[in-house]
Amino acid sequence: DAMVIQNPRYQVTQFGKPVTLSCSQTLNHNVMYWYQQKSSQAPKLLFHYYDKDFNNEADTPDNFQSRRPNTSFCFLDIRSPGLGDAAMYLCATSRGVEVAEQFFGPGTRLTVL
Amino acid sequence: AQSVTQPDIHITVSEGASLELRCNYSYGATPYLFWYVQSPGQGLQLLLKYFSGDTLVQGIKGFEAEFKRSQSSFNLRKPSVHWSDAAEYFCAVEDFGNEKLTFGTGTRLTIIP
Repeated sequence: DAMVIQNPRYQVTQFGKPVTLSCSQTLNHNVMYWYQQKSSQAPKLLFHYYDKDFNNEADTPDNFQSRRPNTSFCFLDIRSPGLGDAAMYLCATSRGVEVAEQFFGPGTRLTVL
Repeated sequence: AQSVTQPDIHITVSEGASLELRCNYSYGATPYLFWYVQSPGQGLQLLLKYFSGDTLVQGIKGFEAEFKRSQSSFNLRKPSVHWSDAAEYFCAVEDFGNEKLTFGTGTRLTIIP
């Protein structure tokens, strides 16, 4: 089945230790998104790629970076995680044609010690 | 700027009872509307969407939603809920052409036997 895969599902890191979260898709979608979702809140868009074009949200901290080496993969790098970065990180994809629904992965739960 | 309001933070219903979750949007042009469901610790799954045409849309798992332009609403309904419907529900609107969703704050649904 075509899908969005996130690895790992659970990630524990130490305060200030860089961490990378991974997302892959078999949908061949043009657009890939990264969201941060804290407990009992709506997902908050961090950035998205339309093909190779990177689009950063204005309020996304510089601590968060992203890479998309090819159509299928996208990575979220957190350079120096703080306690406030503990959250669920969701990856999503869409076709990016006119209005298109987004398909979400299962998320990675990040814990910062 | 567009916005989405879900006035009910938490709703409790008995299994087998009917359900209506409210969603109001603020958007100048024709909105593109979505309902997503999120089970604990999981990603978001699309229940249904409205782009145009018939204002009553059917979705998965027996859900439906009705778009009412005069009330700026897109309420989600189900005639008889099941214990497995317990989850968080998010209403969202997409701005045509910018590939981004604006989410409401979500409604947590609890089902009692």
